[in-house]
Amino acid sequence: NAGVTQTPKFQVLKTGQSMTLQCAQDMNHEYMSWYRQDPGMGLRLIHYSVGAGITDQGEVPNGYNVSRSTTEDFPLRLLSAAPSQTSVYFCASSRRTARNGYTFGSGTRLTVV
Amino acid sequence: GESVGLHLPTLSVQEGDNSIINCAYSNSASDYFIWYKQESGKGPQFIIDIRSNMDKRQGQRVTVLLNKTVKHLSLQIAATQPGDSAVYFCAEKITQGGSEKLVFGKGTKLTVNP
Repeated sequence: NAGVTQTPKFQVLKTGQSMTLQCAQDMNHEYMSWYRQDPGMGLRLIHYSVGAGITDQGEVPNGYNVSRSTTEDFPLRLLSAAPSQTSVYFCASSRRTARNGYTFGSGTRLTVV
Repeated sequence: GESVGLHLPTLSVQEGDNSIINCAYSNSASDYFIWYKQESGKGPQFIIDIRSNMDKRQGQRVTVLLNKTVKHLSLQIAATQPGDSAVYFCAEKITQGGSEKLVFGKGTKLTVNP
């Protein structure tokens, strides 16, 4: 099993550009979520999904869209990137009754200039 | 509201000493708590968890204590080693109506001095 795979690892965008951060897991986990990590802010929940076809907003959803068409994939879309979205993004997944917490990907470092 | 916080942003210990990292939470609906370790440039890694019906859980060199009365969580690391140097996050899982959210604290940076 590869676990949680995030691509790309690094990305630089210009203000106003759009892009999609990819997240895939091969553990058949029902739950998937996206977090952003900023210095001194810990990890903040952007969006999450309890299963295919179901998504919901977290603490900081503005400026981001998600979809969950399959169990394996949970892409995060930035429609019009802003400098405030410069951050490290982590995708995580877990079983419905998580006994070992969430499994995190290795992160995507995004810079918006 | 939901908040998970840590009492100390940094902790410096000598190799071989025991480390204690504290965390306060405010949501009484939280039913599951997790400690994560994050090394530089990596994603958070699971260390240990505890359910709300427990007050103590032990792992290898780590112990988590949960005090629901004062809504306090702690991580104890025995015989701290240089490889334990990292940022440690506590997180609380809130389950409401079939949906769950994992809310993180801001983190404590642990530095182990040789």
